[in-house]
Amino acid sequence: NAGVMQNPRHLVRRRGQEARLRCSPMKGHSHVYWYRQLPEEGLKFMVYLQKENIIDESGMPKERFSAEFPKEGPSILRIQQVVRGDSAAYFCASSPLITAGSSYEQYFGPGTRLTVT
Amino acid sequence: GESVGLHLPTLSVQEGDNSIINCAYSNSASDYFIWYKQESGKGPQFIIDIRSNMDKRQGQRVTVLLNKTVKHLSLQIAATQPGDSAVYFCADRIQGAQKLVFGQGTRLTINP
Repeated sequence: NAGVMQNPRHLVRRRGQEARLRCSPMKGHSHVYWYRQLPEEGLKFMVYLQKENIIDESGMPKERFSAEFPKEGPSILRIQQVVRGDSAAYFCASSPLITAGSSYEQYFGPGTRLTVT
Repeated sequence: GESVGLHLPTLSVQEGDNSIINCAYSNSASDYFIWYKQESGKGPQFIIDIRSNMDKRQGQRVTVLLNKTVKHLSLQIAATQPGDSAVYFCADRIQGAQKLVFGQGTRLTINP
């Protein structure tokens, strides 16, 4: 029973290039969340998606960042024209359909560590 | 506003001793709280959760206490082991929202 999978685990990009981060949720999970973590800091929420829908993108920078969770395939976090300040660990989490009284646990993947040179 | 903070950034305890990690939150509308453990180079791992209608919950070697009056959350780890060395984060969810708000984290070191 595979957990949340993310790839690549490490990604190096030069300033101005594009970064694409992929996340496959746990089997049976229909909710995906992206978080960013800077060194020695906690995780910061970026975006929450369900299949083909962005539900909450209140944590996404207004420019250069986008996310999608298509009907088929993994969720993608895309960063255009990367800058050094984008260097961070990006974590994806997934959860099952949330029903009244259910646990709200989010299961995290191993993360993608993005380095912008 | 939304914020979850921690009282201490680092904590060192002797192997076998009990440890307590504290967390403060500010939003009265938070209805769900989680403790995560993060080892170096890995993603956060769920430890234990508690809903706002509870004040205590126990797991295996871990206990979470919630004091809504002072907006305080704590994680107690009994009989610490070397494998407990990690960064521990508390996180909360505001009622009606889905995102988690994480604190800065406490680095727990278990000394042999």
